[in-house]
Amino acid sequence: GAGVSQSPSNKVTEKGKDVELRCDPISGHTALYWYRQSLGQGLEFLIYFQGNSAPDKSGLPSDRFSAERTGGSVSTLTIQRTQQEDSAVYLCASSLRIAGGSLGTDTQYFGPGTRLTVL
Amino acid sequence: SQQGEEDPQALSIQEGENATMNCSYKTSINNLQWYRQNSGRGLVHLILIRSNEREKHSGRLRVTLDTSKKSSSLLITASRAADTASYFCATDPDRGSTLGRLYFGRGTQLTVWP
Repeated sequence: GAGVSQSPSNKVTEKGKDVELRCDPISGHTALYWYRQSLGQGLEFLIYFQGNSAPDKSGLPSDRFSAERTGGSVSTLTIQRTQQEDSAVYLCASSLRIAGGSLGTDTQYFGPGTRLTVL
Repeated sequence: SQQGEEDPQALSIQEGENATMNCSYKTSINNLQWYRQNSGRGLVHLILIRSNEREKHSGRLRVTLDTSKKSSSLLITASRAADTASYFCATDPDRGSTLGRLYFGRGTQLTVWP
């Protein structure tokens, strides 16, 4: 595909229900990132994947949040027993590669986001 | 905190004027990137400047980096109403074995009036 896609674009759920958010990265991009953004705020890092492994899960706010990535491509972010404070836009990004040292991190390409509303 | 901090939080100008946004950070970096966001949706990458670069241009955008002051600026020349958006800086820290994540600031909301 031409860019990062996310589904659904909008999700309204009731408090206590589980939700799954999906991200399709750009083909060939090995790194994938999840962020969330509350209204009028900056980006809050959640987790990133290099291939299928997640070297950094430090941003997941609680054990109700989990993410997986299979086949080095599609990723799913799952929120269990949703709470009202989970309401936000969840953004996914991918990049071609990660290299350490002076090469640093590649440009990240963002999807349009999923707007989650927990009633 | 390793994240960048943008200044000002909000900027309002007339079309044709220049807009300058600043970003300060605290750790040494590999590179610093600027992103733009319209209407609270996906971010769009604008420009990346590496730690060994001091200035970079892309169309009407000019980015400077001063690693001694740990600061960067984004200048948009001859602004247009379509430039209205939130602008974020993101730092890629010069990390040891930790890889990958960028640290985003809270952003500057730019409004350009016709």
